[in-house]
Amino acid sequence: DAKTTQPPSMDCAEGRAANLPCNHSTISGNEYVYWYRQIHSQGPQYIIHGLKNNETNEMASLIITEDRKSSTLILPHATLRDTAVYYCILTGGTSYGKLTFGQGTILTVHP
Amino acid sequence: GAVVSQHPSRVICKSGTSVKIECRSLDFQATTMFWYRQFPKQSLMLMATSNEGSKATYEQGVEKDKFLINHASLTLSTLTVTSAHPEDSSFYICSARVPLGGSTDTQYFGPGTRLTVL
Repeated sequence: DAKTTQPPSMDCAEGRAANLPCNHSTISGNEYVYWYRQIHSQGPQYIIHGLKNNETNEMASLIITEDRKSSTLILPHATLRDTAVYYCILTGGTSYGKLTFGQGTILTVHP
Repeated sequence: GAVVSQHPSRVICKSGTSVKIECRSLDFQATTMFWYRQFPKQSLMLMATSNEGSKATYEQGVEKDKFLINHASLTLSTLTVTSAHPEDSSFYICSARVPLGGSTDTQYFGPGTRLTVL
């Protein structure tokens, strides 16, 4: 079973920031938070990951709460091409090397 | 990021035949690759872990004699669906692991193979 909880769907206006939440209250100390997304009929795409510090790359920012029990993926300026299913996954530690995909969040970006 | 390819992207076969799907890491060497399956409107399910030079490790409920995995080189893993039946119709996706050191790594995924068994 997935160890994360995400809202099933979210909407966002094009050009606005998309903030996707993820709860992982049972995260262990050596588990990382990973975000992937899957555009329809394609393989998942790696977005970003973090352990406890906030992270930013060319695609997104990842904000992890101090207690590490939740995180937020931020797409700063969403475009129509960001419409996809977004997966928040814990891995590392005892689950090293394995990704368990939950149902994710369907993000729909509207014009 | 690292690039992973799959071939073919689509395949249609008759019931009872075997189908081979290739997964290649194009710009890096991957000692470990993974095979997933995704049915319509469902999430990805891990089928097996493919280790270069050794036997694959299958997840519970996945028939190893039906889904043959070979990882003969550091850039190629193959999945053969033997004696395919309509219920094997699915989207098959591979990934390759890029170690980052410490207790984590990142998996990069191929584009997937759509298998339809008639």
